[in-house]
Amino acid sequence: SQKIEQNSEALNIQEGKTATLTCNYTNYSPAYLQWYRQDPGRGPVFLLLIRENEKEKRKERLKVTFDTTLKQSLFHITASQPADSATYLCATEGSGNTGKLIFGQGTTLQVKP
Amino acid sequence: EPEVTQTPSHQVTQMGQEVILRCVPISNHLYFYWYRQILGQKVEFLVSFYNNEISEKSEIFDDQFSVERPDGSNFTLKIRSTKLEDSAMYFCASSPGGGVGEAFFGQGTRLTVV
Repeated sequence: SQKIEQNSEALNIQEGKTATLTCNYTNYSPAYLQWYRQDPGRGPVFLLLIRENEKEKRKERLKVTFDTTLKQSLFHITASQPADSATYLCATEGSGNTGKLIFGQGTTLQVKP
Repeated sequence: EPEVTQTPSHQVTQMGQEVILRCVPISNHLYFYWYRQILGQKVEFLVSFYNNEISEKSEIFDDQFSVERPDGSNFTLKIRSTKLEDSAMYFCASSPGGGVGEAFFGQGTRLTVV
């Protein structure tokens, strides 16, 4: 079955540095991957979507890559700020074209001033 | 900016009781979803709903669960007889289309079954 995995260990970085989060998938070839931000006790908030034929996507300080050979997506936050501290979720579509999302377990990022 | 709203934000119920979680999706969206997140675990899909019927449901969504769109704006999740293991955050989401595209999530209802 479809499996999507993120590093469950928290990532701690210093303000101003680039944070890089990893999302790996197995047993299928997704047409796209999405990244969401989740703050404690809140719902996920959409950040970026990257399709399988796109190598890279950018939005302000965010960058996502999609490597279909490695079956991996990387999510980068450049010039990180304490306000970027949150859990970041990788998600992909389930089968059936119903819009169902399958989420990874998320990686918690802590940016220290 | 349009948003998905959920009520209540927190619901405490006794085991065996019925609960109804309510959601108002974004008005021009056509696809509606419920997800749940047990504390410390991943967000899990429960059900998708389109054109007034369930389009997909997960193994979690057994006979104790049901969804309804009683009018043009509300979307509800009913748990008929709650169990302790139903305690979780329940998120409603909507999207304009069912294929590729972002989903808009509500802030969630924290359900505590005692």
